[in-house]
Amino acid sequence: QVQLTESGPGLVHPSETLSLTCTVSGFSLTGYSVYWVRQPSGKGLEWMGRMRYNGDTSYNSALKSRLSISRDTSKNQVFLKMNSLQTDDTGTYYCTRERRVSGVMDAWGQGASVTVSS
Amino acid sequence: DIQMTQSPASLSASLGETVSIECLASEGISNDLAWYQQKSGKSPQLLIYAASRLQDGVPSRFSGSGSGTRYSLKISGMQPEDEADYFCQQSYKYTFGSGTKLEIK
Repeated sequence: QVQLTESGPGLVHPSETLSLTCTVSGFSLTGYSVYWVRQPSGKGLEWMGRMRYNGDTSYNSALKSRLSISRDTSKNQVFLKMNSLQTDDTGTYYCTRERRVSGVMDAWGQGASVTVSS
Repeated sequence: DIQMTQSPASLSASLGETVSIECLASEGISNDLAWYQQKSGKSPQLLIYAASRLQDGVPSRFSGSGSGTRYSLKISGMQPEDEADYFCQQSYKYTFGSGTKLEIK
């Protein structure tokens, strides 16, 4: 059974760094790519970046200067780090699995709620 | 960057009614288009990929169509469990539409 679970702090102070972990099961990180997508409260979805099955990464150009995605295949984990957080970074952060090599997200985690506030 | 314009922003439908939601891409996207459903408080779920292919387990009342820059999601016979937000996504560069809130009338 495919599962993705996000974990991390619920509260981050402005200008600090957000660190989230996506722990996956039911598939291999060397066989599937994992994406990060975020959603401000009550708003739409924004693709943030991708950890490809071969270890390559790509990022949304709007976030690239602040964002880093890495992984530990031995632990089945993908990591997101984003620095210089501001209040408009508040929202729910999802990790998702890419359906084969298609850009389509066929499995989603339950989401990690992040609030940026002093 | 490719922009996805989704319409309408919201609509309400009676049970059994057929509903359509549209997405317009700023340039041709060669059927690289997916639709997701997000129920209140839940994560999005994949409904349709490659513009018209139904994801496993999705009811057949959902269908997708389109080509070039225009794509649509149709629900043939609105059910109570279809009340949700719907998003299109251009799957080549990952851009999402702004979403459609579908409610029961």
